[in-house]
Amino acid sequence: AQSVTQLDSQVPVFEEAPVELRCNYSSSVSVYLFWYVQYPNQGLQLLLKYLSGSTLVESINGFEAEFNKSQTSFHLRKPSVHISDTAEYFCAVTPRSFQKLVFGTGTRLLVSP
Amino acid sequence: NAGVTQTPKFQVLKTGQSMTLQCAQDMNHEYMSWYRQDPGMGLRLIHYSVGAGITDQGEVPNGYNVSRSTTEDFPLRLLSAAPSQTSVYFCASSNPDYSGNTDTQYFGPGTRLTVL
Repeated sequence: AQSVTQLDSQVPVFEEAPVELRCNYSSSVSVYLFWYVQYPNQGLQLLLKYLSGSTLVESINGFEAEFNKSQTSFHLRKPSVHISDTAEYFCAVTPRSFQKLVFGTGTRLLVSP
Repeated sequence: NAGVTQTPKFQVLKTGQSMTLQCAQDMNHEYMSWYRQDPGMGLRLIHYSVGAGITDQGEVPNGYNVSRSTTEDFPLRLLSAAPSQTSVYFCASSNPDYSGNTDTQYFGPGTRLTVL
């Protein structure tokens, strides 16, 4: 079975500051890793994913995440956040061979001026 | 493409009532799933389907039924609603990648259900 831990339930930051949202996972089999974002009163949207290849993956809006197999982590980072990044961020894993996404409990990113 | 659509957006039920949450996708995806989202618990998988006529249980299936008669539709039925089923429900769909492994899931806008 897989599990995902997002230790920070809420992360407050000021606009233009850097941010890191932490994600650790456990699994006995190879997994794919995802970060989803949920804006208020909306569904989830894919932010970025790691399937294979380069361990550093990037999104179109400046976020990046690095897959670290030895530390079983997939932390999300952004060097300079905007007010519009205020949302809830979910880390998720799935076994490669079948369809069962396991989500973390989410981290609410609060960006203030 | 409309993507993944869900109806209704909001619903209030009384304990013991039954209802069906609708989910449809127009992307010809093979895989479809239902999740519930509760505060502090993230999203949990209720049921999923890997193709028409094939369904399986997820992490929290009790009190819910599903069927998949077509590729496009994946309704979720609450047989006898309980206050513990108050939640936001999300439907998602995806296709396997070129290797046959799972890939990105696309989510609907959600249904907010309250059971009194």
